[in-house]
Amino acid sequence: QQQVKQSPQSLIVQKGGISIINCAYENTAFDYFPWYQQFPGKGPALLIAIRPDVSEKKEGRFTISFNKSAKQFSLHIMDSQPGDSATYFCAARADKIIFGKGTRLHILP
Amino acid sequence: NAGVTQTPKFQVLKTGQSMTLQCAQDMNHEYMSWYRQDPGMGLRLIHYSVGAGITDQGEVPNGYNVSRSTTEDFPLRLLSAAPSQTSVYFCASSLGLAHTDTQYFGPGTRLTVL
Repeated sequence: QQQVKQSPQSLIVQKGGISIINCAYENTAFDYFPWYQQFPGKGPALLIAIRPDVSEKKEGRFTISFNKSAKQFSLHIMDSQPGDSATYFCAARADKIIFGKGTRLHILP
Repeated sequence: NAGVTQTPKFQVLKTGQSMTLQCAQDMNHEYMSWYRQDPGMGLRLIHYSVGAGITDQGEVPNGYNVSRSTTEDFPLRLLSAAPSQTSVYFCASSLGLAHTDTQYFGPGTRLTVL
């Protein structure tokens, strides 16, 4: 029940395309859903986050879509750039933060 | 602010050895946590603390001990290292667990157990 399932494991997108990463959860006690971006050799860093009372949040080229009834949320990266190549983690928080297994994104130049 | 600092950056241990991974933050954060990152497994929570003197177990606590005697420091102790503990370890902190509290990660410690 504490799991956060993330897909795909890896993703290759052409420059300028849309990258989409999906996550699903079971625990209805989760009340905050952040996404983290991690570059090789670095710690994860918060990218964008959403609360379950909002269906969408947009920050620049990054958008979270949230479907509370389906217990699913996704990250969309518009106009993907080579600098977006990184590992992305979704997460969910109740009394602690649980992470998905990560998606390795590669943007082709 | 230095943020979240971790030492050492790299460590090689032999099976059965013990060691302490250090984590410190200078942001006066109450919430601190330790994760391990393994290929294909994502970030798994080892232990966490909601304030000085309070710790609790995460998903994978076995083989690790923590203590939180001050707000700033949250060391992770490996009592008897095993090859299965080869991993990259991240410490993280946040002001609390409120919606606006961003979790900040340290740069990580890469541990190899032979």
